[in-house]
Amino acid sequence: SQQGEEDPQALSIQEGENATMNCSYKTSINNLQWYRQNSGRGLVHLILIRSNEREKHSGRLRVTLDTSKKSSSLLITASRAADTASYFCATETPGTSYGKLTFGQGTILTVHP
Amino acid sequence: GAGVSQSPSNKVTEKGKDVELRCDPISGHTALYWYRQSLGQGLEFLIYFQGNSAPDKSGLPSDRFSAERTGGSVSTLTIQRTQQEDSAVYLCASSLRPSSPLHFGNGTRLTVT
Repeated sequence: SQQGEEDPQALSIQEGENATMNCSYKTSINNLQWYRQNSGRGLVHLILIRSNEREKHSGRLRVTLDTSKKSSSLLITASRAADTASYFCATETPGTSYGKLTFGQGTILTVHP
Repeated sequence: GAGVSQSPSNKVTEKGKDVELRCDPISGHTALYWYRQSLGQGLEFLIYFQGNSAPDKSGLPSDRFSAERTGGSVSTLTIQRTQQEDSAVYLCASSLRPSSPLHFGNGTRLTVT
C-alpha cells in the first residue's frame, strides 16, 4: 500500500502562479523526497529533505516538512508551462538505508501558458 | 554522461509468453532498483541490487518474476508466463550509493494481450 497520500490529485493553474502540493505519510522517516514525472518518462529527483530539517529551497522549489503532523509540502513559485508534470513524494521504508521508496499517488500539475 | 537506459521502450506480448526487460544503469552506480508503475497500484518497489547481489527481493509479486545483474552493471528483469495483470510500466533506477537519490530510466511499457 502507498504510505504517501498526496493532495490535491490534480491542480490546474496559469503560468506565473504558485503551485502547492501536499503529502502525508504514516510512519517515521529518515528523509522525504520529491520527484517529478513528465508524461511517458521516468521520474526525476527534485529535492530531499531530512527528518531534522523543516524547510529546504532549490531554485523555484520550496519544501517544508512537519514530522509532528507527518506531512510535507512542495511549493513551486512562478510556475511555467514546462512545470506541467506529475509530482510524487516518496519516503524510505523504515529500517532500510537504501532506495526502497514508498511513493504517494502523485499530484498532476497542469500549467496553462 | 548518459542516463539510465531501458529497452525495449514498449513490449506487447501474448499471455503465457516470457519477456525480458533490460536496464543499463549510469556508469559507476552501485545500487540498482526495479519498480513497477500501474494505474491501480501506483509505483511499487520490486527489487534492489547492490553490486550483483539482490539483498531485497521482497517486492517481486510472484515466482514468475526474477532479475539478475551482471558485472555490477546491466540488469535483466524476466517475467515468465506473463499474465494480463503484469501489464504496467517497468522502471529501472540506479544510484551512486544505496542512500543516494534515484535516477530513473524512461521505463518499458509492457502490454500483455
